[in-house]
Amino acid sequence: NAGVTQTPKFQVLKTGQSMTLQCAQDMNHEYMSWYRQDPGMGLRLIHYSVGAGITDQGEVPNGYNVSRSTTEDFPLRLLSAAPSQTSVYFCASRGTGETQYFGPGTRLLVL
Amino acid sequence: GEDVEQSLFLSVREGDSSVINCTYTDSSSTYLYWYKQEPGAGLQLLTYIFSNMDMKQDQRLTVLLNKKDKHLSLRIADTQTGDSAIYFCAESSMNTGFQKLVFGTGTRLLVSP
Repeated sequence: NAGVTQTPKFQVLKTGQSMTLQCAQDMNHEYMSWYRQDPGMGLRLIHYSVGAGITDQGEVPNGYNVSRSTTEDFPLRLLSAAPSQTSVYFCASRGTGETQYFGPGTRLLVL
Repeated sequence: GEDVEQSLFLSVREGDSSVINCTYTDSSSTYLYWYKQEPGAGLQLLTYIFSNMDMKQDQRLTVLLNKKDKHLSLRIADTQTGDSAIYFCAESSMNTGFQKLVFGTGTRLLVSP
């Protein structure tokens, strides 16, 4: 098992550019989520999905889109990047148990 | 909504015990987690406890839960320099179907030789 994988590890964007952060898991977990981590603020939930075809907003969804067409993948899209979206992004998945497994993160810098 | 708070910084000497504290506000049945994050890395789950428990011990780690005060602590015995990291307290509540994790701001633990 590779667990939860994220690509890219690091990305630099200019304001207004779009990009997709990829997240995949090979544990057949139904639940997947995206968090962003900012200094002094811990991790905050952006979007989450309880299964293929089902997504919902978290605490800070503005500026981000998600879709869940397969159980394995949960991409996060930035349609028009802003400097305020400079952050570290973590994807997580959870099966039927209590434990969420986190990916290694994507560091995003928006200039 | 739910809120989780932690102190920002803790400094200890190698070999001492470290105690990292956390408070939460949710009154429903809750899972409470401790995650460790080393520099430039992701989050590693250390341990967790359900809100109907008072204590959980796992090798050098002891979690204590005071349900009345909604206070959670993580004790690391015989702290080593490799324990230097940021420690996050997080909770997931029955109110959200245990679907969402709410994190504290993290406590940076510095272990000096």
